Amino acid sequence: GESVGLHLPTLSVQEGDNSIINCAYSNSASDYFIWYKQESGKGPQFIIDIRSNMDKRQGQRVTVLLNKTVKHLSLQIAATQPGDSAVYFCADANNAGNMLTFGGGTRLMVKP
Amino acid sequence: NAGVMQNPRHLVRRRGQEARLRCSPMKGHSHVYWYRQLPEEGLKFMVYLQKENIIDESGMPKERFSAEFPKEGPSILRIQQVVRGDSAAYFCASSPGLTTGARDGLFFGSGTQLSVL
Repeated sequence: GESVGLHLPTLSVQEGDNSIINCAYSNSASDYFIWYKQESGKGPQFIIDIRSNMDKRQGQRVTVLLNKTVKHLSLQIAATQPGDSAVYFCADANNAGNMLTFGGGTRLMVKP
Repeated sequence: NAGVMQNPRHLVRRRGQEARLRCSPMKGHSHVYWYRQLPEEGLKFMVYLQKENIIDESGMPKERFSAEFPKEGPSILRIQQVVRGDSAAYFCASSPGLTTGARDGLFFGSGTQLSVL
């Protein structure tokens, strides 16, 4: 089965609000995590990554939080914009680091 | 600095034909990954290659599918005798190979949409 999964398949937020997308992983040995954004008809776009020796990492308008105790990952998007509408995937690297394992995705819909 | 280039963008094949999907990694990247995606689903790992070597093909079907990454030229994902169930988006990703495989982060191309009639 998948080592990474998501709680909500669809998230609808108002423009300007903050968005939080959650992800659970099952492999306690996973030590590298990435969030991707995928727009319709396009390939996944790297957003932000985090290694297991950190619990928080910030980028431009995005923050990733990692809770290793409960094996939970979240992506926070500040001041969500219409251009943020997409499907968001979390992924983790397996023990050998040979691949990323993707979750099923959360669709973010931003209402104007 | 061009990103990961995949071609063709769309490929239509009839059942029984062969499909060849090409991927040129980002400049300076020596590791290539192929993933497959069905509509409304996540990406499924197929194969991980370095130049002239298959490192991990645990996600590749045992029959009809093959991949290569020659010393010169793009990586090729080849599907022989295609069936309708092969219809999907196939994404290639590359990484610089500075650390172990995917831990450098994967950068994806725009994909090839394969449609089997």
